[in-house]
Amino acid sequence: NAGVMQNPRHLVRRRGQEARLRCSPMKGHSHVYWYRQLPEEGLKFMVYLQKENIIDESGMPKERFSAEFPKEGPSILRIQQVVRGDSAAYFCASSLTSWSGEQYFGPGTRLTVT
Amino acid sequence: AQTVTQSQPEMSVQEAETVTLSCTYDTSESDYYLFWYKQPPSRQMILVIRQEAYKQQNATENRFSVNFQKAAKSFSLKISDSQLGDAAMYFCAYRRVVGGADGLTFGKGTHLIIQP
Repeated sequence: NAGVMQNPRHLVRRRGQEARLRCSPMKGHSHVYWYRQLPEEGLKFMVYLQKENIIDESGMPKERFSAEFPKEGPSILRIQQVVRGDSAAYFCASSLTSWSGEQYFGPGTRLTVT
Repeated sequence: AQTVTQSQPEMSVQEAETVTLSCTYDTSESDYYLFWYKQPPSRQMILVIRQEAYKQQNATENRFSVNFQKAAKSFSLKISDSQLGDAAMYFCAYRRVVGGADGLTFGKGTHLIIQP
């Protein structure tokens, strides 16, 4: 049973470019969460999605960041016009239900903005 | 808003000894989940143990156990017979039950060093 998949594992972007991070949840999971981890910090919740719906985006910056989880295919976290402060590890997690509590994490994508 | 505090940035323990990592949290909810996650150098987040707030019995997973004190809002992790593979960052996390649509709230982590 494959775990949560994220790609790419490492992404380098110049300031002003766009970054697209992909997440495929565990088989059978329809709930996806995105988190950001800055250096020396814990993970910070960004957004929670179900298939075709954004349920909670309270942790997402208002500008330049967007997320989607289409009916078919992976969830995408998109960062437009990246700045150096966006450099971080971005983790995706999935859960079987919204109330099950447990979230299973992918290996993360390390974004470096130069 | 819920907050999770880990007051020990770093802990060190001799191999085969026991170590306890501290975590306190603040919430007005009566029902919630608490977790300990391990993040080794690979950066993969691994679930170590979980506790439901309505359960009085402390959760145990092999060498890992928790001391859950609901009134004190304390949730410590005890690692017995420490092994070199236990070296990692350990994060305490909280999630409320009502609504069910929340992400996890994490503490800043404790870096655990295992001395051979």
